[in-house]
Amino acid sequence: DQQVKQNSPSLSVQEGRISILNCDYTNSMFDYFLWYKKYPAEGPTFLISISSIKDKNEDGRFTVFLNKSAKHLSLHIVPSQPGDSAVYFCAASARTSYDKVIFGPGTSLSVIP
Amino acid sequence: DAMVIQNPRYQVTQFGKPVTLSCSQTLNHNVMYWYQQKSSQAPKLLFHYYDKDFNNEADTPDNFQSRRPNTSFCFLDIRSPGLGDAAMYLCATSRDLAGGNTDTQYFGPGTRLTVL
Repeated sequence: DQQVKQNSPSLSVQEGRISILNCDYTNSMFDYFLWYKKYPAEGPTFLISISSIKDKNEDGRFTVFLNKSAKHLSLHIVPSQPGDSAVYFCAASARTSYDKVIFGPGTSLSVIP
Repeated sequence: DAMVIQNPRYQVTQFGKPVTLSCSQTLNHNVMYWYQQKSSQAPKLLFHYYDKDFNNEADTPDNFQSRRPNTSFCFLDIRSPGLGDAAMYLCATSRDLAGGNTDTQYFGPGTRLTVL
């Protein structure tokens, strides 16, 4: 059973436009959410996170939105740059119960110059 | 630069021939993880060490073992690799935080295992 879902395996966006990557989760105990970015031949690197006490967290061009009632989060990248082309993994954990981090299957983003 | 290093980057083994993958870190993190990732799937946690304490995931096959001789090194041993064990194996580290939680995980580049 997939507790973290990323229903779009791939996404193409024009350079300069907004990229929106979506993630849904099923476990209501999750209270901490992360996005990781992965380039080919490299391991995933941490991008941005959000705690369940917030509904938005922003870091430069990257913003994560959390909708707890819908069990949905999204990563917005604006403006998108060719260097943003990578696989993006959504991940979640239940920190209050010290549970492991569960990863989604990833969305491959291509930013077209 | 502080980092997580995995060797080798590519490993080819034969069906049933034991293989060991290694991971080292210079971050001095006390938690180390091994993940298995198959194509287009989510990284799947196999087990992790919290200091010297080994924590196995319930659905990790007995064929997979791990050793952590010191803080810096962690090994993944696959005793009898099957064709289904071909995958990318990712090592990650994190530090513990107050209250028993762990911080963000830092990943190595992975070892791609091929089983012939």
